Amino acid sequence: AQRVTQPEKLLSVFKGAPVELKCNYSYSGSPELFWYVQYSRQRLQLLLRHISRESIKGFTADLNKGETSFHLKKPFAQEEDSAMYYCALRGTDSWGKLQFGAGTQVVVTP
Amino acid sequence: EAQVTQNPRYLITVTGKKLTVTCSQNMNHEYMSWYRQDPGLGLRQIYYSMNVEVTDKGDVPEGYKVSRKEKRNFPLILESPSPNQTSLYFCASSSGLINTEAFFGQGTRLTVV
Repeated sequence: AQRVTQPEKLLSVFKGAPVELKCNYSYSGSPELFWYVQYSRQRLQLLLRHISRESIKGFTADLNKGETSFHLKKPFAQEEDSAMYYCALRGTDSWGKLQFGAGTQVVVTP
Repeated sequence: EAQVTQNPRYLITVTGKKLTVTCSQNMNHEYMSWYRQDPGLGLRQIYYSMNVEVTDKGDVPEGYKVSRKEKRNFPLILESPSPNQTSLYFCASSSGLINTEAFFGQGTRLTVV
């Protein structure tokens, strides 16, 4: 079975402070891992995926297979980063299904 | 503009009254799916389709139907809605099953009273 755990429901940080959103997964094979972001009243949009290993909007995420984690990090949070963030996993045997975590609401205060 | 379009955006209905939420994509994607989003649960897949006339159940299919008569359209049908189907629904599409990005619609907020 595949599972994605985001332990924090809410993260409140000050502008300019570092932010880290935790994501742990359970999957027996080699999954694809994603971070999706949902700004207020907008659709989900892809932020990062582990295979691209890129930085988007200052965010990075590293897949740690030993710890089965895919934490999202940004060194200096901005107010426009306030949003709901979802970690998602897609298994090679899941017929394209994305397994989402419960989500973490990030609030960046000035 | 490449996008996934859902209609309606908001819907309030009564228990038992059949409804359809439409979803259309203009990217010629083969794979489409429906998710429902509930607080504390994230998004859960309801149904998916790998191509025209090929559909299958996701994790929470009870009370829902879908059809895929054309590649671009993937409507979600609630034959007899109940209050526990009050939720935010998202349609998504992608060009394949792996190594592809999923594109989401704007969401449909459904309230069943």
